[in-house]
Amino acid sequence: GQQVMQIPQYQHVQEGEDFTTYCNSSTTLSNIQWYKQRPGGHPVFLIQLVKSGEVKKQKRLTFQFGEAKKNSSLHITATQTTDVGTYFCAGGGLSGGSNYKLTFGKGTLLTVNP
Amino acid sequence: GAVVSQHPSWVICKSGTSVKIECRSLDFQATTMFWYRQFPKQSLMLMATSNEGSKATYEQGVEKDKFLINHASLTLSTLTVTSAHPEDSSFYICSGRILYEQYFGPGTRLTVT
Repeated sequence: GQQVMQIPQYQHVQEGEDFTTYCNSSTTLSNIQWYKQRPGGHPVFLIQLVKSGEVKKQKRLTFQFGEAKKNSSLHITATQTTDVGTYFCAGGGLSGGSNYKLTFGKGTLLTVNP
Repeated sequence: GAVVSQHPSWVICKSGTSVKIECRSLDFQATTMFWYRQFPKQSLMLMATSNEGSKATYEQGVEKDKFLINHASLTLSTLTVTSAHPEDSSFYICSGRILYEQYFGPGTRLTVT
């Protein structure tokens, strides 16, 4: 079955430093989504990438989808304490004909030292 | 944004009993709802896909007779953990789908003693 690997598992940064988390799928994805889960909270949708090589920005967050549609990254510029949480990538694959089912990566827990 | 609620938010039950968890989409109709399980500091593991008016589709390794899912309306899906055991203790989260986005409920913490 489809697997989505995500690294690193943990990342601790000083406020103002940049942060990147990477996702890699064992199979070609139809789309990839990114979610953020604050400590004690539930996952919140951030963005979806669909096209090969797509790059999207949301303020300090930059999301990329690889040319082969197998990998993705999330980059945060100049982290703030409000960025603390676990960032999950989730791949929408073609297995079973469903493009809506997601396979989540293990997530990257980001902590920011003020 | 779209809001999904879950009830109860936490529940403690004795081994051998059954527990029902409700997932409601409050301001949208969710043709599809998903049920996940999340262990502490771990990822979300998809248990099943629930479509309104039809049988749920379970992921490999998930016992359908143990985790009963009912999606009777476009705003309500329920997950019943039957004959619960301590190893079923976990955080159960549901989500409702709008197009490709999933909107997650706040989760239900189940502890089986």
